[in-house]
Formats: sequence, structure tokens, C-alpha cells
Amino acid sequence: KQEVTQIPAALSVPEGENLVLNCSFTDSAIYNLQWFRQDPGKGLTSLLLIQSSQREQTSGRLNASLDKSSGRSTLYIAASQPGDSATYLCAVEYDDMRFGAGTRLTVKP
Amino acid sequence: NAGVTQTPKFQVLKTGQSMTLQCAQDMNHEYMSWYRQDPGMGLRLIHYSVGAGITDQGEVPNGYNVSRSTTEDFPLRLLSAAPSQTSVYFCASRQTRVNSPLHFGNGTRLTVT
Repeated sequence: KQEVTQIPAALSVPEGENLVLNCSFTDSAIYNLQWFRQDPGKGLTSLLLIQSSQREQTSGRLNASLDKSSGRSTLYIAASQPGDSATYLCAVEYDDMRFGAGTRLTVKP
Repeated sequence: NAGVTQTPKFQVLKTGQSMTLQCAQDMNHEYMSWYRQDPGMGLRLIHYSVGAGITDQGEVPNGYNVSRSTTEDFPLRLLSAAPSQTSVYFCASRQTRVNSPLHFGNGTRLTVT
């Protein structure tokens, strides 16, 4: 079964800290992996998309890596800010997209 | 630039009632899909469409119907609401079937009593 797991479910850090969010998946035959951000009461916003042939993607303070062989992806957030507080979800694309349950991040001022 | 628009934002139904959740996108995307999001679980695909006149089932299609008469609109119909359908529903669209970012609406929170 194609499962996507995100650990931890919640994370609290002080402002300014660099942090890593984790995503693991059971089937390495993926098209791509996407990281999303979800604010309370809102839809998901796409942050980064990594094609299966790529190892990483960067956007501003965000860097996402992909290791298909080990079934892992990480989202690195540099110099975290209170505005980064949200739930971060990863999704792996097979014939359809499989989502993790998300990591709820709180950045404290 | 509205993106993906969902209506209504909130809805309360009684068991057995039917309703339609509306979804419209203005990005000329061929691919549209419906997901449900339940606490502690990831989003699960209900139905999707790769173009006008073409729909297919996702992971959890039972109790839901869809149609795609135009590129812009992709309504989701609940035939006979059940408490198990209490959830937050998201519509999403993307430019291609795979390998392009998904754009989401803001969701419809549905409660079935």
C-alpha cells in the first residue's frame, strides 16, 4: 500500500531557529513529491514540487530534498518566523496523490 | 485572479438530505479533483476529472457523484448525506494530469447530523 507518513505531528520552535520537517513514503515509484502549507480554515498552498529525477528544490528560505531510494523527503526552513506557523503537508504522486497527515508548526516570537 | 472558488464555505445537513458543493476555476486547467480532509488523516481523493466530459473515481468515491460539463466547473453531489460524510471538502485543479502544482480552493466544512 502506498502510504505517506509525517513525523512529528506537531512541532514548536523559537523564532530564528532552522528546522527540518520529515516525510516518508513506502513506494519509491513516484512521479513527484510536493510540499504544501495549510493555514487554519484555508486551502493548501503549493510550496515546492520535486520531480522524481531531482534531488532538491529551493524557494527563498525553503529547501526540499528527495531521496527516492530511502523513501524520504525533508523540508528545511531557515531562520523561522512567526508567520511560518501553519500545517505543512507532503504529498507523493503515484497514479494519484497520496497525502501525509501533516506537521503543525508553531514558531514562537 | 480568483483561482479555485468553492461554495458554500459552511453547510449543515440532516441525514438523508442531498446537496451539491460547487467548484469553479478560472485558470483553464484540464485536471480537477475533489478531496476530503478528516482530523489526523491526510487528504483523500474522492473523484477527479482530466477534462470536460471525463470523470473517474478516486480512493473514497462511495456516496458522491460528479460531472464535468465545462472546463471551469466541477460540482460534487452528495446523494444521501450520512454522518460519516462530515468532513472538510477541498476542490483542486492543475494544469496537467501529473507533474504540475495543485491549486486548492478554501474548502467547504460540512456537518451531517
